[in-house]
Amino acid sequence: QVHLQESGPGLVKPSETLSLTCTVSGGSISSFYWNWIRQPAGKGLEWIGRIYTSGSTSYNPSLESRVTMSIDTSKKQIFLSLTSVTAADTAVYFCARSPQSIFDHWGQGTLVTVSA
Amino acid sequence: DIQMTQSPSSLSASVGDKVTITCQASQDITNYLNWYQHKPGRPPKLLIYEASNSQTGVPSRFHGSGSGTDFTFTINGLQPDDFATYFCHQYAILPFTFGPGTTVDIK
Repeated sequence: QVHLQESGPGLVKPSETLSLTCTVSGGSISSFYWNWIRQPAGKGLEWIGRIYTSGSTSYNPSLESRVTMSIDTSKKQIFLSLTSVTAADTAVYFCARSPQSIFDHWGQGTLVTVSA
Repeated sequence: DIQMTQSPSSLSASVGDKVTITCQASQDITNYLNWYQHKPGRPPKLLIYEASNSQTGVPSRFHGSGSGTDFTFTINGLQPDDFATYFCHQYAILPFTFGPGTTVDIK
C-alpha cells in the first residue's frame, strides 16, 4: 500500500521560505511524477508543480518564480521550496503521485500558515 | 489556464439517492478529466480517470461520462460512506487545474 506523508513547519514567517518534504513508503519512487498541490481554506485546489524521478520539473507559471522542487530517490523523498511567502500562501499542501497525469495516490496534507 | 467549473457547489441527499455533478472546462480537454473524492483529514481518492474509467477497487455506483468541455459524475444509490467533497481535475494542458468541488451532505 503506497503511503505519502507530507512534513515540515506548520508556521512560516512572511518573506521567508516554506520548505516541505514528502516521504514515500510502501512503493517505488521511480518512474513516477511527484506533484505538489495546495488548497487555501475555503478555496479550490491549485497545482504547484511536479518532478519526475529523473529530476525534470514543471511548475505552475503563477508560482514558477518562487518554487523549487527536488527529489532524493535513495531516501524516497520529494522536496518543495517556496520563497518569499505571504499570507496568500497559507494552505494545506498535498503531495501526490502520478503515473503520467493522473493523481492516483495522495498524502493527507499538511497545513502551513504564513504569519508573523 | 483552463478554467474548470462545477455545479452544484453543494447538495443535500439521502442514502439511496442518485447524485449528479457536472464539470465544465473552458476549452476542449477531450477526455483528460479525473474525478476525486475528498473527506476532511484524509487523502483525496481517485475515483474516475479519463472521464469514464473507474479506478481499481472503486464501487460500480460511481460513474463518469462526457468529453470535450462537458462532463458528468454520478453516484447511483448514495451510501453513507459517500458523503464527501467531489472535485474534477483536467490534465489536458499544463498547468493542471481543478474544479472548485461539490460537497455532498446528508439531507
